[in-house]
Amino acid sequence: DQQVKQNSPSLSVQEGRISILNCDYTNSMFDYFLWYKKYPAEGPTFLISISSIKDKNEDGRFTVFLNKSAKHLSLHIVPSQPGDSAVYFCAAEISNFGNEKLTFGTGTRLTIIP
Amino acid sequence: DSGVTQTPKHLITATGQRVTLRCSPRSGDLSVYWYQQSLDQGLQFLIQYYNGEERAKGNILERFSAQQFPDLHSELNLSSLELGDSALYFCASSVGYHTGELFFGEGSRLTVL
Repeated sequence: DQQVKQNSPSLSVQEGRISILNCDYTNSMFDYFLWYKKYPAEGPTFLISISSIKDKNEDGRFTVFLNKSAKHLSLHIVPSQPGDSAVYFCAAEISNFGNEKLTFGTGTRLTIIP
Repeated sequence: DSGVTQTPKHLITATGQRVTLRCSPRSGDLSVYWYQQSLDQGLQFLIQYYNGEERAKGNILERFSAQQFPDLHSELNLSSLELGDSALYFCASSVGYHTGELFFGEGSRLTVL
């Protein structure tokens, strides 16, 4: 049962344009969402997060949008740079006491074309 | 460099064997998490320890076990290995038991032949 889904395994975007990565979830109890970025031969690194009490969080070139009614979140990267080429994982958690664990999606491989 | 150290980086073994993967968390982090990433799969949560105690359990097989020692390093033991256990095993750490931002090691790639 894949509770966090990233339906696009890969995405190619021209340098300087906007990259939009999508993520859907099925568990309405999730209340905290994160994006991680992973380069080859490295572990995932935290990128940006959003709490369910917000619908948008911005950090420099990265913005995450949350649509709770649609159970959908997206990561926008503007402008896209070659160094953004990586695999991006969406993750979600239920922040109840005693049940803290992240559920990850399968990842989207983003390629920025120079 | 995340500050999380995993050894070994690569391991090749045969079916039926047993291996131990080791993780040293970031200095000051009390929580350690183990994740498995199989081919084309997301990161599957296995187990979490907080300050030596098991905190949360995911889809960890009975053939697998883990522990966190008093110095906070953790070991993941995989026994009676099967071909399907071939995967990348990540360790991550965080300060508290609330997950949120995790710091991942580079992973241990296990190949079972």
